[in-house]
Amino acid sequence: AQRVTQPEKLLSVFKGAPVELKCNYSYSGSPELFWYVQYSRQRLQLLLRHISRESIKGFTADLNKGETSFHLKKPFAQEEDSAMYYCALETSGSRLTFGEGTQLTVNP
Amino acid sequence: KAGVTQTPRYLIKTRGQQVTLSCSPISGHRSVSWYQQTPGQGLQFLFEYFSETQRNKGNFPGRFSGRQFSNSRSEMNVSTLELGDSALYLCASSLGGGLVSGNTIYFGEGSWLTVV
Repeated sequence: AQRVTQPEKLLSVFKGAPVELKCNYSYSGSPELFWYVQYSRQRLQLLLRHISRESIKGFTADLNKGETSFHLKKPFAQEEDSAMYYCALETSGSRLTFGEGTQLTVNP
Repeated sequence: KAGVTQTPRYLIKTRGQQVTLSCSPISGHRSVSWYQQTPGQGLQFLFEYFSETQRNKGNFPGRFSGRQFSNSRSEMNVSTLELGDSALYLCASSLGGGLVSGNTIYFGEGSWLTVV
């Protein structure tokens, strides 16, 4: 069965510091992985998907099939990055399996 | 273009009652899925509909059901409500298509259900 694990429920960094949100997955098929973000009082929205290999708001994520990881990184965190981040794995039929989420707080 | 729209946004029901939640997907999207979000369990997949057919189902009891109409709009129903059904119910839509498409899945703002 598929599983997504985000080991850190809470992560706190200072503005300008690098940030890495960890995500590990377990899936027997070829993974389609995403990072979703939920800012306070806003809807869940897509941040990144691995197939597009793009950088959004300075965030990048690389799929490492050997380590079954899809960590989210940003070299210099900003206060507006404070939000809840979810790693998600798409399996059959547009079905997403989410990790537990990591609440990122960027302190001034 | 308009995003995923869910109604009602907030509702309070009594234990034992039933509730119907509605979702209008983004125009052109044929896949609609539903998720339950709670502090304890996080985001959990309920079911997904594509072209009026249930294509996927999560591990929820039969009290949770859904349907999709020919215009892709979807409803989910929860019968015999329990206190533990209190949650944010999210609807999401995508183009759908292949089994694992990598298509972007867009979420609505959710319907907050409180069962008392």
